[in-house]
Amino acid sequence: GIQVEQSPPDLILQEGANSTLRCNFSDSVNNLQWFHQNPWGQLINLFYIPSGTKQNGRLSATTVATERYSLLYISSSQTTDSGVYFCAVSSNDYKLSFGAGTTVTVRA
Amino acid sequence: DTGVSQDPRHKITKRGQNVTFRCDPISEHNRLYWYRQTLGQGPEFLTYFQNEAQLEKSRLLSDRFSAERPKGSFSTLEIQRTEQGDSAMYLCASSPVAVYGYTFGSGTRLTVV
Repeated sequence: GIQVEQSPPDLILQEGANSTLRCNFSDSVNNLQWFHQNPWGQLINLFYIPSGTKQNGRLSATTVATERYSLLYISSSQTTDSGVYFCAVSSNDYKLSFGAGTTVTVRA
Repeated sequence: DTGVSQDPRHKITKRGQNVTFRCDPISEHNRLYWYRQTLGQGPEFLTYFQNEAQLEKSRLLSDRFSAERPKGSFSTLEIQRTEQGDSAMYLCASSPVAVYGYTFGSGTRLTVV
């Protein structure tokens, strides 16, 4: 199966700081999604981004499919951004392979 | 539409007992997925349904696990003769035909003691 590596594993930020999370994957994919898992376990879809760049408020993401990586940018971080961020990829149309996640802690 | 619902939220069971979890997908979604997540890891695919047909099962899904989706609506995941290694969060998701429409439920956390 496709291997997904996320870095860094842990990130501690002061409120207002910017950060970049990285996702590397081992094979060609036709689907890449970023999720945020809140402290209660709920996984929220942030972006569907198999290629290109998207922005949603303070979050943006870029995927360079030919080089097999994606970046998630968090700007002006807030305490509500805390949680685990997962990158998930797929080369078919049904199964997602997840990375181990980046745990983000934003301190007030 | 209230999203994907899972019941129960938490389940504590003794080793060797059987447990059953339920998932109610978003009504217009014809695909339903089950994932398992252990502490510190990302979710791992277990199985998925398109309508009532179970189309793929991961090798993680041993013979003790069975999933059903009668009439293509809600789904159940049963674990027989639970083991301590089954302790995990069991996540259900649903989507329209295309996988990019994934919506996850809040999960069922299973603890086997």
